[in-house]
Amino acid sequence: DAGITQSPRHKVTETGTPVTLRCHQTENHRYMYWYRQDPGHGLRLIHYSYGVKDTDKGEVSDGYSVSRSKTEDFLLTLESATSSQTSVYFCANGRNTGELFFGEGSRLTVL
Amino acid sequence: DQQVKQNSPSLSVQEGRISILNCDYTNSMFDYFLWYKKYPAEGPTFLISISSIKDKNEDGRFTVFLNKSAKHLSLHIVPSQPGDSAVYFCAGTIKGGGSYIPTFGRGTSLIVHP
Repeated sequence: DAGITQSPRHKVTETGTPVTLRCHQTENHRYMYWYRQDPGHGLRLIHYSYGVKDTDKGEVSDGYSVSRSKTEDFLLTLESATSSQTSVYFCANGRNTGELFFGEGSRLTVL
Repeated sequence: DQQVKQNSPSLSVQEGRISILNCDYTNSMFDYFLWYKKYPAEGPTFLISISSIKDKNEDGRFTVFLNKSAKHLSLHIVPSQPGDSAVYFCAGTIKGGGSYIPTFGRGTSLIVHP
């Protein structure tokens, strides 16, 4: 257990509104990730971070931005939410061997 | 282009029998492979892994086999139990930016019948 807490766990919002999802870890893992899970698509990487202020894009980064100002927090922002961003979002941290530890997920619905 | 493919969306097995979940990959640069298990409304949990330099890794009822020449790996669960019913994700990783970046398959839903 790598102590990942995601907030909010559920959110309903309207198209065009900004949304920020927060991921907090209680351990000081250097690596943190944001994935989205959609039916038929599995888990797809949005962005990841390998240190404070060090982030990079994943395969589905369009429409998303991230920030990591502290080791323990990794924020995912949708500047202007669209219905295609309705999904379950998972934050994870992990060792440099690739073993990730996931949070419980944040379910986002964009109407 | 899918780098990690799980071609069977679902698998049904009788309790006590063997479950075999398959995974194919296209990227020969993967260093490490992992299997994750996911229950509904929960986050995925790490199950077992294997380095690309090995061909087998075993942990209790779970064994992962890697065939690099065929770019294929499989997860064997023996004996299968009803509590194993979940979605299983296969992932391959490449080191980038100082970290391993896992690429996941689409998952296989395993149902173990009592």
